[in-house]
Amino acid sequence: DVKVTQSSRYLVKRTGEKVFLECVQDMDHENMFWYRQDPGLGLRLIYFSYDVKMKEKGDIPEGYSVSREKKERFSLILESASTNQTSMYLCASRRGGGGETQYFGPGTRLLVL
Amino acid sequence: DQQVKQNSPSLSVQEGRISILNCDYTNSMFDYFLWYKKYPAEGPTFLISISSIKDKNEDGRFTVFLNKSAKHLSLHIVPSQPGDSAVYFCAARRNNAGNMLTFGGGTRLMVKP
Repeated sequence: DVKVTQSSRYLVKRTGEKVFLECVQDMDHENMFWYRQDPGLGLRLIYFSYDVKMKEKGDIPEGYSVSREKKERFSLILESASTNQTSMYLCASRRGGGGETQYFGPGTRLLVL
Repeated sequence: DQQVKQNSPSLSVQEGRISILNCDYTNSMFDYFLWYKKYPAEGPTFLISISSIKDKNEDGRFTVFLNKSAKHLSLHIVPSQPGDSAVYFCAARRNNAGNMLTFGGGTRLMVKP
């Protein structure tokens, strides 16, 4: 059974703060993803990584960066949080080699004041 | 510009009846489609998928239909159960971007006992 965990379920930060969201998966998956979910917009891909130290921009990378130093861990960084980054953040992982299904963590609800 | 659209934000159905959730897409490069289900405070979970070379895929109470000429897919749940109440997201994969899924905005299904 795949398990994807996220470091926090809820976070409250102030504008301008640096924010770290951590994601860990335990299935040795090559691919990891960060999405944000907003009402009516569904899930939008921020960044993904297909290997350690590798990253690719998704559809909405502005204002975010990522880090993948170990295969099981993928971090999303908000260098200077802004109120329009208030959202639900979802991490997912997927095996490499053509696997289709992405497995999601429970999400982090971030409020930026 | 949303390439994957779920035009009904919500749907209410009586227990035992059929639920039909719809999804339209605009990009003819999509070759694989998935449905995810999301309960509150949990991450999305994979439900069912279909390749563009098929027009139907069935798994128990869940059937996905694909009409490529109309760029339309639908998820049928028969019979609907109260435990099916959740938000359903349709997602599509481009055949030249294997890691990236594009999600629709979601449809909230409520199954009344």
